[in-house]
Amino acid sequence: EAGVVQSPRYKIIEKKQPVAFWCNPISGHNTLYWYRQNLGQGPELLIRYENEEAVDDSQLPKDRFSAERLKGVDSTLKIQPAELGDSAVYLCASTLGGDMNTEAFFGQGTRLTVV
Amino acid sequence: AQSVTQLDSQVPVFEEAPVELRCNYSSSVSVYLFWYVQYPNQGLQLLLKYLSGSTLVKGINGFEAEFNKSQTSFHLRKPSVHISDTAEYFCAVSRVGSQGNLIFGKGTKLSVKP
Repeated sequence: EAGVVQSPRYKIIEKKQPVAFWCNPISGHNTLYWYRQNLGQGPELLIRYENEEAVDDSQLPKDRFSAERLKGVDSTLKIQPAELGDSAVYLCASTLGGDMNTEAFFGQGTRLTVV
Repeated sequence: AQSVTQLDSQVPVFEEAPVELRCNYSSSVSVYLFWYVQYPNQGLQLLLKYLSGSTLVKGINGFEAEFNKSQTSFHLRKPSVHISDTAEYFCAVSRVGSQGNLIFGKGTKLSVKP
């Protein structure tokens, strides 16, 4: 069974340019998370989806970040325009349910470098 | 609010030696506790978790952790490490009822030397 799939693995862009990351969770997992991991830090939650509904986006910088999960399956995270401080690894995770009794499975992440 | 402190940013150890990676948390409400491992260029993988019950939790790859409520700690231990255990380890908490929002520590890099 495939795990959480993210693409691209690496992205280098100039500041002020837009960028998008894609995530396909494990089949049947209705809860999807986007995390950001800065260098030398632990991951920090950006947004959580229950099916197609964003139930927690309190940590998402809404002036430049947006996300969608239109059919409750795969998801896209966008940054427009990107800033130097957005350089980080963006991780996607999924769980079978919202309760943390179930294990969260993480993708390999997308490493973004803004120059 | 919850927070997690991993007391050591780097832990070097020789192969077959025991290791303990320390984690303390702060929370005014009940939490679930987790340890994740991240190998180079890989995503995070769950090592073990404490939800309730026995305070000694056994996980994959021979790791175990003990929940100490009075000391608000959840230290990770392994009696004999291998070269393949070289990775970054993250302690995390989730407030009971928060529906899965994990709060991570900054991580501890374990380097196992031959």
